[in-house]
Amino acid sequence: QSALTQPASVSGSPGQSITISCTGISSDVVTYNFVSWYQQHPGKAPKLMIYEVSNRPSGVSYRFSGSKSGNTASLTISGLQAEDEADYYCSSPLYNSWVFGGGTKLTV
Amino acid sequence: QVQLVQSGAEVKMPGASVKVSCKASGYTFRDYYIHWVRQAPGQRPEWLGWIDPSGGGTKYAQMFQGRVSLTRDTSITTAYMELSSLRSDDTAIYYCTREDGHSGKFDYWGQGTLVPVSS
Repeated sequence: QSALTQPASVSGSPGQSITISCTGISSDVVTYNFVSWYQQHPGKAPKLMIYEVSNRPSGVSYRFSGSKSGNTASLTISGLQAEDEADYYCSSPLYNSWVFGGGTKLTV
Repeated sequence: QVQLVQSGAEVKMPGASVKVSCKASGYTFRDYYIHWVRQAPGQRPEWLGWIDPSGGGTKYAQMFQGRVSLTRDTSITTAYMELSSLRSDDTAIYYCTREDGHSGKFDYWGQGTLVPVSS
């Protein structure tokens, strides 16, 4: 059983908003405010979209936002665009290591 | 600009070892940890470990203990990942990534190195 669980897929139409969840299997995961989100297009390296739950790196669109409640973190993408179609992974520390969620395929 | 450039793909036989390099440029190499993450086809990323380029300290994921070794050469701002006793399920793309701070902010990634393990 994975330490971080994400929905396998989510879809939305251009202009809509979607939310991807990332649930920690125990209170030890996602407890800290160190959740990150990565976008990955086919054949490309992951790209940092959100760090420390809700912070956006420079250059990342304001349409991407993050939040956390209890042991569940969420990534929200507003004003969906075709270029947002990709796989999204959450990441969190766990006992001196780092774990990634199973990934969510976003279809626009 | 910050860049991490990795060595090219390598095909390996089961039981062999592979050493992947990660050349860093555009920033002070010693100031940021380098992590290594791999991704098997269609799978989630999997963390292997990190190295502190400043002092050479390392931390490895438990499942790779004894098989993985992270090193660096500060004179050429390059980090290395060596994985031994390769098995077919080690077939993956191996990435190096820079961590900004110590909160899992992996802000720059190498292009990835494909390592197929097959007899």
